[in-house]
Amino acid sequence: AQSVTQLDSQVPVFEEAPVELRCNYSSSVSVYLFWYVQYPNQGLQLLLKYLSGSTLVESINGFEAEFNKSQTSFHLRKPSVHISDTAEYFCAASDRGSTLGRLYFGRGTQLTVWP
Amino acid sequence: ETGVTQSPTHLIKTRGQQVTLRCSSQSGHNTVSWYQQALGQGPQFIFQYYREEENGRGNFPPRFSGLQFPNYSSELNVNALELDDSALYLCASSLGFEQYFGPGTRLTVT
Repeated sequence: AQSVTQLDSQVPVFEEAPVELRCNYSSSVSVYLFWYVQYPNQGLQLLLKYLSGSTLVESINGFEAEFNKSQTSFHLRKPSVHISDTAEYFCAASDRGSTLGRLYFGRGTQLTVWP
Repeated sequence: ETGVTQSPTHLIKTRGQQVTLRCSSQSGHNTVSWYQQALGQGPQFIFQYYREEENGRGNFPPRFSGLQFPNYSSELNVNALELDDSALYLCASSLGFEQYFGPGTRLTVT
């Protein structure tokens, strides 16, 4: 089983500033890692994923996350945020060796971008 | 290609009642997972169905049950509703390890 910790429940930033949303996972077994975004009154949208290969993964809208095995982290970053990035962000992990594909989620980080 | 859809969007029930939530999976996806998202929390895994069989279950009591149909759509049934069952219920379909979520059903138990 996994435990996912999102270290910040709320992150307020000004538009065009850089942002980092922190995520740590618990298990020493191999994992798949995901970031999902949730806009108000909507479901979850997959933002980016790490399955294998390059430890740096990118989304189409400028977010990136780096898988750090030694620190068991998968922090999400964006060099310059927009007001439209305001949303709840969830980090999730899945055990690589499991056929179940169950996702373990963190509690979420509310990113609020101010003009 | 149609995404994951869920119905109804919102639902209000009374404590003790029973409820059925529905999910249509994305085309070609044979696996459906259900999650409960309480207010201010991350989603919690309820169970997963693969080719009409329950494939795994989280820490939820037996009054949470489900079905998957031959077309891979799915139902979540909750009996004897409790106030703490008030939440957003999310359905996700998958073919591999990437899960694609529907918009959710907001259940309020009064």
